[in-house]
Amino acid sequence: GAGVSQSPSNKVTEKGKDVELRCDPISGHTALYWYRQRLGQGLEFLIYFQGNSAPDKSGLPSDRFSAERTGESVSTLTIQRTQQEDSAVYLCASSLVGGRVTYEQYFGPGTRLTVT
Amino acid sequence: ILNVEQSPQSLHVQEGDSTNFTCSFPSSNFYALHWYRWETAKSPEALFVMTLNGDEKKKGRISATLNTKEGYSYLYIKGSQPEDSATYLCAPHGSSNTGKLIFGQGTTLQVKP
Repeated sequence: GAGVSQSPSNKVTEKGKDVELRCDPISGHTALYWYRQRLGQGLEFLIYFQGNSAPDKSGLPSDRFSAERTGESVSTLTIQRTQQEDSAVYLCASSLVGGRVTYEQYFGPGTRLTVT
Repeated sequence: ILNVEQSPQSLHVQEGDSTNFTCSFPSSNFYALHWYRWETAKSPEALFVMTLNGDEKKKGRISATLNTKEGYSYLYIKGSQPEDSATYLCAPHGSSNTGKLIFGQGTTLQVKP
């Protein structure tokens, strides 16, 4: 079946602009996660959704970052007033059941965000 | 949040060599350990999810072992091939009630033909 998809694949934006990143998880996966990797750094957790609610937002780096998920499917990550330090690859992942550490996560191809 | 260390940071081997790398984590509050492979220009791909002390898992030429008492996991690749070139990430879980993964920095493997 179809895997996790993300759009756009690449996004270049000017500092101060808002951006929206989209994730379509695997159908039937109730859990959805956002991560990012900045240049030279490891994968960093941002937020976790179980269904449409977000029990863990602990990784969002500032209040400029927000995310929502509707219909237990699509999720959007919004970054307001982008800064250069927001430049990163943003990855979305989904898993069959949320809140379970034993379920593997399936990752999308990522969105490469460049803030100029 | 668990502190996880992976070593070495990078590794260059010749095709046909066998290799291994380490993931170290605090042994307290352990629930599970994930291994992922991340090839350039692709998505991270799950290799193993391990939970039990002494667990050993295998997928083709890749295998992994887990020691939860001393807080480490080894990933082995037998007879490395160029297509094994990737960054290998581990992510231990310190809690059973969240799927959030805290990744190590990874070990980047380059296999030369």
